[in-house]
Amino acid sequence: KAGVTQTPRYLIKTRGQQVTLSCSPISGHRSVSWYQQTPGQGLQFLFEYFSETQRNKGNFPGRFSGRQFSNSRSEMNVSTLELGDSALYLCASSFSGSGSYNEQFFGPGTRLTVL
Amino acid sequence: DQQVKQNSPSLSVQEGRISILNCDYTNSMFDYFLWYKKYPAEGPTFLISISSIKDKNEDGRFTVFLNKSAKHLSLHIVPSQPGDSAVYFCAASDGSEKLVFGKGTKLTVNP
Repeated sequence: KAGVTQTPRYLIKTRGQQVTLSCSPISGHRSVSWYQQTPGQGLQFLFEYFSETQRNKGNFPGRFSGRQFSNSRSEMNVSTLELGDSALYLCASSFSGSGSYNEQFFGPGTRLTVL
Repeated sequence: DQQVKQNSPSLSVQEGRISILNCDYTNSMFDYFLWYKKYPAEGPTFLISISSIKDKNEDGRFTVFLNKSAKHLSLHIVPSQPGDSAVYFCAASDGSEKLVFGKGTKLTVNP
């Protein structure tokens, strides 16, 4: 079974621009979560999508948004980029919906650099 | 406010010995705990998990212990191998898909 894939793997943008990151979950997984990893803050939860609906949300400003498509693929968008948005953005998928907790499996991440 | 804490940023052990990585949490609503291993430039890899209704879970060389009264969990790796060298993250869930991570412990296993 193929793992979680994320595109692109690396991205360089300038302040004020916007960016869209893509994530394809493991086949059959319906939940997709996004995390931001920075050296200072570690791994922080951004949001989670399930059946095309945002089900959980972390403490990030509205510049960070996402969506999920009917095939469970997800995109994350960051508008008006700031230098502090430079980070590794990780996507994770899980089966979910079974009534018990299901482990999340992570993709390799997208390294975003904002200049 | 850090709800999941890994107080040791780094740990160094000899090959063949036991590695013990520790994690503390503050939120009583957490009922599921996970350990992930991460190599540079890769996403975290799931290692082992434990539900709050258990106090121990084993998977090969990896064992996780949970002490709910102390709000403490630990990951034991026996025997440690050089390939285990990586950053280990403890994570907790309140039953939702939102994982709260510790800041990680860098494990170095010396040959």
